[in-house]
Amino acid sequence: ELKVEQNPLFLSMQEGKNYTIYCNYSTTSDRLYWYRQDPGKSLESLFVLLSNGAVKQEGRLMASLDTKARLSTLHITAAVHDLSATYFCAVDIRSGGSNYKLTFGKGTLLTVNP
Amino acid sequence: DTEVTQTPKHLVMGMTNKKSLKCEQHMGHRAMYWYKQKAKKPPELMFVYSYEKLSINESVPSRFSPECPNSSLLNLHLHALQPEDSALYLCASSLSGTGAYEAFFGQGTRLTVV
Repeated sequence: ELKVEQNPLFLSMQEGKNYTIYCNYSTTSDRLYWYRQDPGKSLESLFVLLSNGAVKQEGRLMASLDTKARLSTLHITAAVHDLSATYFCAVDIRSGGSNYKLTFGKGTLLTVNP
Repeated sequence: DTEVTQTPKHLVMGMTNKKSLKCEQHMGHRAMYWYKQKAKKPPELMFVYSYEKLSINESVPSRFSPECPNSSLLNLHLHALQPEDSALYLCASSLSGTGAYEAFFGQGTRLTVV
């Protein structure tokens, strides 16, 4: 059974600081996704990582994927309050023939304080 | 049009009621999904439709009945629900019929069972 583990689950940061969220998964997959969720809202796609060594950046967020280590990171640079949200990583695995399904980590609740 | 639209946004229903949740996308996506998300938890997959056929049922109780009338629409029929079924129900779609691409999520239906 696929396990997707995120850490930390709770992260309180000061504005302007840097930090990294880690996502480990237990089985082979070449596709990993990062989503953001604001309270009471739906999931917003942030990054799609499709190959080993993939690195993507958007604003103050940068995501990377190491399929050999089964590890993805989401790095936050110079955090601002607007980044406060829950961040989920999700891994695609094959399920039942040719179908794929997403399995989510537990999420990281990020709070950025002034 | 890059949206997944869900209706209603909020629903309160009694345990003896029958109601339906609706989801629509016009992106030509061939896989559609229902997820259930409890507060402070990650989304949990319920059903996957691939090319309008049910391809994955994650052992969901029969009081939840999915339906895919055509490639753009996905319904979730609800009957005799329990209070513990109260949650945010998210619909998603992805380009590939196998689900092997990024999933886009709707805004969700906040369901309360009384």
